[in-house]
Order: sequence, then C-alpha cells, then structure tokens
Amino acid sequence: SYVLTQPPSVSVAPGQTASITCGGNNIGSLHVHWYQQKPGQAPVVVVYDDSDRPSGIPERFSGTNSGNTATLTIRRVEAGDEADYYCQVWDNSSEDWVFGGGTKLTVL
Amino acid sequence: EVQLVESGGGLVRPGGSLRISCAASGFTFSGYSMNWVRQAPGKGLEWVSTVSSSGGFKYYADSVKGRFTISRDNAKNSLYLQMNSLRAEDTAVYYCAREADRGFGEYTPYFFDYWGQGARVTVSS
Repeated sequence: SYVLTQPPSVSVAPGQTASITCGGNNIGSLHVHWYQQKPGQAPVVVVYDDSDRPSGIPERFSGTNSGNTATLTIRRVEAGDEADYYCQVWDNSSEDWVFGGGTKLTVL
Repeated sequence: EVQLVESGGGLVRPGGSLRISCAASGFTFSGYSMNWVRQAPGKGLEWVSTVSSSGGFKYYADSVKGRFTISRDNAKNSLYLQMNSLRAEDTAVYYCAREADRGFGEYTPYFFDYWGQGARVTVSS
C-alpha cells in the first residue's frame, strides 16, 4: 500500500517560515490535502488539491507538490499555528485514503 | 451550519461489537460521500472507511475489512459504522467526516471538509 512519510517534528520561531514535507512515490501525480489538528480538536483542512486554500484559511498557508515530495509552507508563523499537521492522498491502486504519520509543529 | 455529531461510543470487550452513528445537519446529506477516520491515543489519523453519496460505493482500510461495515440512511441524515470482532488495537476516537464534492461521478475522491468531534471507543477486558 502507498506510504506517506512526514518528519515527526518541525520547530520554528514566531514570524519565521515553517516547511513541512510529505514524501511518497511519485506523489506529484496525486492530489495532496493537508490538515491541521490542535490538541483535543478535530482536524481542519488547510490546503487541498496541492495548493488550494479553503475559505477562512489565511494566505500564510500554501502548498506545493512535485516529484516525490509535497510541501506545506506556513509563512509568518504565529503561536496559534502550533499543531499537528497531516498530509493525505487517495491511492487509486488500492482504493484507499492514506494519511501521513503527522508532523508536530512547535513554535519556539 | 454544517454539523456532524457522533454517538454510540463506549467500552466493549475484545471480540465484541459496537455500532457508532453520526447525525448530520445543515446540508443535503444525500449529496455527499462520508467517511470514518480514527485516531488511537497519542497516534496519528487513520482512515477507516468511505461510503459514496447513494451508498453504492464502499471502501475499507485493510485493518478493518471483513470486521467493520459502513452504512448510511439518507432519509435519516445518518451515517453508521458497525464494528464486529473488536480488538484492543481498535481503541480510538472515531471521527465522522464529510467529503467535499467534486461535482461529477458517483465517487470522485476529494478532501474532507467537515469533521465531527469524535466518538471514543475503548476495547478492553
């Protein structure tokens, strides 16, 4: 089955830029979605279809996807961005949804 | 306002059964595919199952195939997950999630745009 690999943790100072990667075999050919989950809360989509942003999500959140890596970028990081972030794809071959293992973003 | 409210969670013995439900409101339930996603304590998200808008397509994770059954009742705006032969490793918070609609086909995968607050299921003797 398809595997998505994320770094367990990323740390960044307030005001700086955080990049969270999601690796997968030829992931650039798939649509990647990103979710933010704060402690005790349900996940919320922050980027869908690689780089589109739902209404209400700040422009500071953006995404790219090419080759074997998709990336979620958060510019001008704020304390409120501290959360777990998950990437997600639909694996056509197995007809499964797949989530990455998640990345804990810490704002220093 | 879109609302998804799970219910039916609880403590069950290994080998036992449980059915959890998700009551939907604030949108035309019959027009959307729905999903169950679980999260074991301290762990990441794990997709469990998907059902298309009319119920004609159903998909399951290998970890639950043959033990769990997803269903929906569009007249009652409700989603269900029947869980049989439960194991300790099924212990998790189970989220109901609506899948956004790409606008074509019975099932065309898209992101999950609304989530419930989750139902806690504990499998323990």
